[in-house]
Amino acid sequence: SQQGEEDPQALSIQEGENATMNCSYKTSINNLQWYRQNSGRGLVHLILIRSNEREKHSGRLRVTLDTSKKSSSLLITASRAADTASYFCATVLNSGNTPLVFGKGTRLSVIA
Amino acid sequence: GAGVSQSPRYKVAKRGQDVALRCDPISGHVSLFWYQQALGQGPEFLTYFQNEAQLDKSGLPSDRFFAERPEGSVSTLKIQRTQQEDSAVYLCASSPSQSGYTEAFFGQGTRLTVV
Repeated sequence: SQQGEEDPQALSIQEGENATMNCSYKTSINNLQWYRQNSGRGLVHLILIRSNEREKHSGRLRVTLDTSKKSSSLLITASRAADTASYFCATVLNSGNTPLVFGKGTRLSVIA
Repeated sequence: GAGVSQSPRYKVAKRGQDVALRCDPISGHVSLFWYQQALGQGPEFLTYFQNEAQLDKSGLPSDRFFAERPEGSVSTLKIQRTQQEDSAVYLCASSPSQSGYTEAFFGQGTRLTVV
C-alpha cells in the first residue's frame, strides 16, 4: 500500500519556469523525503524534512511541510531540461522501525 | 564500492523458474530495504532488515517471495516459481540508521522479465 499521493501525476513546463509538486499522506509521520528517478535508473535522495520542520531549502529546491494538512510540496525553481525525471515523496511513520513508503510519483518534463 | 550494488541488472526467467536477486549495501549500513517497481508506478515496499533481523515483511506479495540477510550485510531476494505478474524492477536500498530516519541510498535495480 502507498501512504503518499503526489499531485499532479504529470507536469510539463518550459525551461526556466518553476515546477511545483504536491504530496499528501494519511498518518502521522516522523519525516518526509523527496526522491528523483531518471528513466531506467535508481532513485536519488533530494531532501528530508522532519515533522517538526516547516520548510527546507537545498540549492534550487524548496520543500514545505504542513503536518496539520498532512501535505508537503516540492518547488524546483528555474527548471532545466536535466530536471526531467519522476519525483516521489516517501514518508516514515512515527511508530518505530517502519520503512520508507513511497507515493506514485509526479512525472516532470522540462522542455528546452 | 561506494554505492549500493545490485546483480544481475537484467534477468529473464521462464515462468515457473526460481530466481535470486542480490543486493550489496553500502558497508556499515544498518537498514536494508527491498522494493518492487512496476512500469510507471512508484516503488512498492516488500521487506525491511535491520542488520540481520527481518523486521517487516508485510509487503511480500506471496509465500513465493523470500528474503534474507544472514550476516547483516549482503541480502538476497528469492522468488520461487516465477509468474508473469512478477515482472518488474526490484530495487534495493540501504540506510545508515534504523528504519527510514535518514536518507536511503538506492541501487540501480534488477529488471526481471518473466516470459
